[in-house]
Amino acid sequence: EAEVAQSPRYKITEKSQAVAFWCDPISGHATLYWYRQILGQGPELLVQFQDESVVDDSQLPKDRFSAERLKGVDSTLKIQPAELGDSAMYLCASRRGQGSYEQYFGPGTRLTVT
Amino acid sequence: QKEVEQDPGPLSVPEGAIVSLNCTYSNSAFQYFMWYRQYSRKGPELLMYTYSSGNKEDGRFTAQVDKSSKYISLFIRDSQPSDSATYLCAMSAGTNAGKSTFGDGTTLTVKP
Repeated sequence: EAEVAQSPRYKITEKSQAVAFWCDPISGHATLYWYRQILGQGPELLVQFQDESVVDDSQLPKDRFSAERLKGVDSTLKIQPAELGDSAMYLCASRRGQGSYEQYFGPGTRLTVT
Repeated sequence: QKEVEQDPGPLSVPEGAIVSLNCTYSNSAFQYFMWYRQYSRKGPELLMYTYSSGNKEDGRFTAQVDKSSKYISLFIRDSQPSDSATYLCAMSAGTNAGKSTFGDGTTLTVKP
């Protein structure tokens, strides 16, 4: 069964350093989401891609976060500089596209900022 | 006040028990209602989704939506230790899953 892949699974970084996460969605899925899940809370959407285009980044802290999906396949989320409050699980999810509701989540990257 | 409030738990039940998980919401525009299961150190997986009010059954799981009360529930019959996980409710006004508002989750432990 196809799955969403994410790496690394765990990342520890110091405050003010740069960090990057990678996501490879299920093949053929046009829609890709990045979420942040703080411990004990539900996921919150950071950015949504349709193919290579950003369709919603209203909740992305653009002063420090950036996301790209250059060829409309895999995607990278970057934080620079990292802050203590960025410690969370970063989840990637993909969806086939229009007419398909279900989104499939990857295992996430657990980020700890010290 | 959050748009979606979920019974915080944690919840611990013996194997075979019937489990009830609940969420309330304030946004009357919500039309799609989802339940996700999240195992420790894993991403959420969609268990069930329903559109508007009513019941939906899938095996041991039943989802109920009462839009008049702005209240949704997930029932698990004959609970198993493998059901031990965090359950998240989520809701959206449209079909874009990324626009869902999630509850904070209820952690369930089913003891053998």
